[in-house]
Amino acid sequence: GAVVSQHPSWVICKSGTSVKIECRSLDFQATTMFWYRQFPKQSLMLMATSNEGSKATYEQGVEKDKFLINHASLTLSTLTVTSAHPEDSSFYICSASPQGLGTDTQYFGPGTRLTVL
Amino acid sequence: RKEVEQDPGPFNVPEGATVAFNCTYSNSASQSFFWYRQDCRKEPKLLMSVYSSGNEDGRFTAQLNRASQYISLLIRDSKLSDSATYLCTFSGSARQLTFGSGTQLTVLP
Repeated sequence: GAVVSQHPSWVICKSGTSVKIECRSLDFQATTMFWYRQFPKQSLMLMATSNEGSKATYEQGVEKDKFLINHASLTLSTLTVTSAHPEDSSFYICSASPQGLGTDTQYFGPGTRLTVL
Repeated sequence: RKEVEQDPGPFNVPEGATVAFNCTYSNSASQSFFWYRQDCRKEPKLLMSVYSSGNEDGRFTAQLNRASQYISLLIRDSKLSDSATYLCTFSGSARQLTFGSGTQLTVLP
């Protein structure tokens, strides 16, 4: 149980294009999902907290107009990197915590490796 | 001071060795603590939660010391498959996780 999927697993795009990444909880519902980014040899950095039915909460330094988050249902959150540039190339990972279990345990998706040319 | 600090390593140990990692945190309001392992180019996977009373799962033992604000992970009888980066993390009131930079472990044959 507690499986989180991400799609696509990798994407290569040209500079200036937008890329949408989907994060799905497959066997549980999650009112909150989290989006992280990891650059090579660095740790995961929280970008934003995605809340079902309301606006996402962004961490300091993360541009909300560049990284659009939509959490339309209890099992799906999307992250859109708008007008991507080479410096946005990174490993994007989402996580979700099963609601109602009284636990903070988070389960991670397999990640999406974005390369912007 | 960073919120979470870990010795990045690398730790290179022979098979069968016992190895310990420590992780310090600065936010005394941190609520829950975890160790994750991350293999190269993969997502983190939960290894174990960390409780004040200490908890053990097979060859792995985790401890939390709230007074000194650190958590530890002990791996006994290390296997080649234990080679990975070990991330300590804690969650705050909003349940988001703050990760350390990770400790790289390589178990050598």
